[in-house]
Amino acid sequence: EDKVVQSPLSLVVHEGDTVTLNCSYEVTNFRSLLWYKQEKKAPTFLFMLTSSGIEKKSGRLSSILDKKELFSILNITATQTGDSAVYLCAPYNNNDMRFGAGTRLTVKP
Amino acid sequence: NAGVTQTPKFRILKIGQSMTLQCAQDMNHNYMYWYRQDPGMGLKLIYYSVGAGITDKGEVPNGYNVSRSTTEDFPLRLELAAPSQTSVYFCASSYGGGPKGYTFGSGTRLTVV
Repeated sequence: EDKVVQSPLSLVVHEGDTVTLNCSYEVTNFRSLLWYKQEKKAPTFLFMLTSSGIEKKSGRLSSILDKKELFSILNITATQTGDSAVYLCAPYNNNDMRFGAGTRLTVKP
Repeated sequence: NAGVTQTPKFRILKIGQSMTLQCAQDMNHNYMYWYRQDPGMGLKLIYYSVGAGITDKGEVPNGYNVSRSTTEDFPLRLELAAPSQTSVYFCASSYGGGPKGYTFGSGTRLTVV
């Protein structure tokens, strides 16, 4: 059975802190892994990673995929209150994304 | 651009009632999806469609039905609503099926009492 585990489940930090969110997965026919940010409504796309060891960067956010050890991390540096959200990781296998339960990040001023 | 439009935004159903959640997209996407998200959980795929007239089950299809008579519309039908179907339902669409291009609707919050 496919499994996606995100940790920690929740995290409270102050503005300017750096955070690391973890995602481990066991998914058949793995093709790629996606990270989403979910505020009050629908998830919004952040990254898609397909190759192991490739670090994606977008401003203060970066992500790494390790296909051998089956995990990914999402780093956010110099956090801002606008980063407060639930972050979902979703391995993709041909037809379906298997979402983890998410990490709820709260950034305090 | 409207993107993916879901109606209604909120609904309360009594146990045993039926309803249809509507989803429409105006991007000419061939793939469409229905997900549910329970509190504190990730999204789970209910059904998906790769084009008009073609649908297939996802991870949690029991208690639901879908149809895809047009490219634009992908309604989700709940028959005999149960409290376990209390959830937030998201519709999404993409062109070509690759995960990067998903566009999500704003969701329907359904409560079954």
